[in-house]
Amino acid sequence: QQQVKQSPQSLIVQKGGISIINCAYENTAFDYFPWYQQFPGKGPALLIAIRPDVSEKKEGRFTISFNKSAKQFSLHIMDSQPGDSATYFCAASLGFSGGYNKLIFGAGTRLAVHP
Amino acid sequence: DVKVTQSSRYLVKRTGEKVFLECVQDMDHENMFWYRQDPGLGLRLIYFSYDVKMKEKGDIPEGYSVSREKKERFSLILESASTNQTSMYLCASRVDSSGNTIYFGEGSWLTVV
Repeated sequence: QQQVKQSPQSLIVQKGGISIINCAYENTAFDYFPWYQQFPGKGPALLIAIRPDVSEKKEGRFTISFNKSAKQFSLHIMDSQPGDSATYFCAASLGFSGGYNKLIFGAGTRLAVHP
Repeated sequence: DVKVTQSSRYLVKRTGEKVFLECVQDMDHENMFWYRQDPGLGLRLIYFSYDVKMKEKGDIPEGYSVSREKKERFSLILESASTNQTSMYLCASRVDSSGNTIYFGEGSWLTVV
């Protein structure tokens, strides 16, 4: 119930193409869905996030699409560049009594953008 | 900018050794975390701390303990390292328990031989 399932595990895209990473969840109590980006040798960093009251959020070339009824959300990277090559983690936040938020991560997708 | 610093980036330890992984954050955050990252398994929470001297078990606490004597410092301890603890360990911090953004350090690669 608390899992977030992420696919694919790895992805190869040509420069200029669209990269799409998908995540699915079961628990409808999740109320915040961030994506983290991790470059080799670095820690993950917040890339973009969405709340379930909107269906899409765009920041530059990065877009989150959110389908509440299907309990799925995805990251789209438009005009993918070699510099986007990284591991991407989706996550979902679950609020507990007392105001504590727990972040649950997907397994990660390793993206390689070839020139 | 928030800075989470993990002092040891690469360590090689022998089976049975006691291992300390240190982490310091400079933004007066209340919450600190230790995650383990393994290919195909994502980020798994080992322990977290609400505040000084407070700690809670995460999803995979077995074989680990933690210490938080000062607000800015959170240590992960492997009492008796085993080969299945070879992994990348990520420290992170968050403003407080109601926050959603977690700030990660650069990771500590631990190899147990």
